[in-house]
Amino acid sequence: EDKVVQSPLSLVVHEGDTVTLNCSYEVTNFRSLLWYKQEKKAPTFLFMLTSSGIEKKSGRLSSILDKKELFSILNITATQTGDSAVYLCAVEETSGSRLTFGEGTQLTVNP
Amino acid sequence: EPEVTQTPSHQVTQMGQEVILRCVPISNHLYFYWYRQILGQKVEFLVSFYNNEISEKSEIFDDQFSVERPDGSNFTLKIRSTKLEDSAMYFCASSELQPGGKLFFGSGTQLSVL
Repeated sequence: EDKVVQSPLSLVVHEGDTVTLNCSYEVTNFRSLLWYKQEKKAPTFLFMLTSSGIEKKSGRLSSILDKKELFSILNITATQTGDSAVYLCAVEETSGSRLTFGEGTQLTVNP
Repeated sequence: EPEVTQTPSHQVTQMGQEVILRCVPISNHLYFYWYRQILGQKVEFLVSFYNNEISEKSEIFDDQFSVERPDGSNFTLKIRSTKLEDSAMYFCASSELQPGGKLFFGSGTQLSVL
């Protein structure tokens, strides 16, 4: 069975701090790893990673995938209170259409 | 920006009743999904739908559940004979050109079974 494990499960930081969120996975036929941000209800797409070692960047957020060690990290620099959310990691297999999600990391950024 | 729309946002029902959750996916998307999230637990895949048929379903998606695209815009999830353990947030999602990958999620329907 596919497994996605995120750490830490929760994290409290101050504005301006840099955070690193971790996601490890076990999947039979890997196609991609995705990061989503869930603020109140709907998860919103952040990144999709398919190749090792290529960093994806969007503003203060960046992510990278290591397919050999089976993990990904999501970095957020100069955090703001608006970054407070649950960050979800999900993996997708080549053989199907489902995403398998991790438990999420609850990030709280205090002013 | 186009978005996935779900109605209702909250649904309360009695155990044993049938509910229909409704979704309007993004108009040019071809793949549609239902996921659910029980309070405090992971987001779980229920079913994917393409070309008017189910393309994949999870172990959760048993005979109690069904999906339908009754017209060109709506996508529905029907839950028959609801149980207490069906209480969850149900998310509809759609993707444009390929199964899985970059999904756009709706805001969810919070289903409470009493």
